[in-house]
Amino acid sequence: SQQGEEDPQALSIQEGENATMNCSYKTSINNLQWYRQNSGRGLVHLILIRSNEREKHSGRLRVTLDTSKKSSSLLITASRAADTASYFCARNAGGTSYGKLTFGQGTILTVHP
Amino acid sequence: DADVTQTPRNRITKTGKRIMLECSQTKGHDRMYWYRQDPGLGLRLIYYSFDVKDINKGEISDGYSVSRQAQAKFSLSLESAIPNQTALYFCATGKVGGGEQFFGPGTRLTVL
Repeated sequence: SQQGEEDPQALSIQEGENATMNCSYKTSINNLQWYRQNSGRGLVHLILIRSNEREKHSGRLRVTLDTSKKSSSLLITASRAADTASYFCARNAGGTSYGKLTFGQGTILTVHP
Repeated sequence: DADVTQTPRNRITKTGKRIMLECSQTKGHDRMYWYRQDPGLGLRLIYYSFDVKDINKGEISDGYSVSRQAQAKFSLSLESAIPNQTALYFCATGKVGGGEQFFGPGTRLTVL
């Protein structure tokens, strides 16, 4: 079963607005990753946050991790139409499962020009 | 040139046929993975390989088999295709000790 759940399932915003997507998980992690998928294409890695980190930034992306709540969020600031895509969180459990990712069902983001 | 390639990109086949999906990579990574994606869902792991002699079942391996012919090649076979195997299939690679995975462009498979 999938261990990462994402919220909302779909998000529609205007260009320039911020977009926030949330991910919850059930078991402990070594790291949590966010990926982007343009319609029907391969996934592209955006950012990785380790279990001992609380926040990471990459350009207009900001990821937070709260291991006590088993949740993470992805914030895209000043969104652009080109940010329209599906966004997935993926959990790396570590231990004997290290190297395997468990994906959430994704958030579909639509940014209107 | 793409680092992770998949062939074919699209395939339509009939129930009961044997199908092979191929994946090649030039990234030099030891780890390779096969996932399937169904509409509106995330990716589910079918099989993974941490090196040429290592093959492991993932979450949904029933009805599938794999072959790791070399570090750079990892093939997925459907021994007898059925309609509920209609999906988008992705190959991915990863480094030892690394976290991120690198995905191919996908193969859209339709089983009639």
